[in-house]
Amino acid sequence: AQTVTQSQPEMSVQEAETVTLSCTYDTSENNYYLFWYKQPPSRQMILVIRQEAYKQQNATENRFSVNFQKAAKSFSLKISDSQLGDTAMYFCAFSYNAGNMLTFGGGTRLMVKP
Amino acid sequence: GAGVSQSPSNKVTEKGKDVELRCDPISGHTALYWYRQSLGQGLEFLIYFQGNSAPDKSGLPSDRFSAERTGGSVSTLTIQRTQQEDSAVYLCASSLGTRGQPQHFGDGTRLSIL
Repeated sequence: AQTVTQSQPEMSVQEAETVTLSCTYDTSENNYYLFWYKQPPSRQMILVIRQEAYKQQNATENRFSVNFQKAAKSFSLKISDSQLGDTAMYFCAFSYNAGNMLTFGGGTRLMVKP
Repeated sequence: GAGVSQSPSNKVTEKGKDVELRCDPISGHTALYWYRQSLGQGLEFLIYFQGNSAPDKSGLPSDRFSAERTGGSVSTLTIQRTQQEDSAVYLCASSLGTRGQPQHFGDGTRLSIL
């Protein structure tokens, strides 16, 4: 079975600073996909970034980047120049099979302070 | 439509009643997923559709839960004889269906059982 662990239930950061959210996972699969989703109070899950396990290069999307360490089974999210609108729950997720079902971590609540 | 649409947004019902939750996926998305988000259990996978068939029902918590998808589009999740532990946010997502494709989520239905 696949498991995803987010060890930081809550974090806070000052506006314009950088914050890193941690995620580790456990799997015996070799070919899989990792995602970070953001869930603001509006409840909708929004895709932030996606990483393919067979790609060495870390994915980036504007202010969001990941540090993917396959051997360590680690997939952290770095948010640069934090903005008030980044305040949300962040979920790390994993998929590996043809059905593409997601296994989620427990989430990290991020508060960006002005 | 432009995004995944779920209805109703909120549902309050008495214990023992049946409820139906609806999901209208993004046009052209062949895969459709139901997840449940609750305080105690986090985000759990319930069921997955590829077209009209459900290859994986492994996440359904009991035989009171069922789902169908007709015409490769709209899906209905039905909960019979609701119990208080069914209270949660039920999220629907759709994707292009191939392995590793990101899932796009609706706003969810908040179900409250009195």
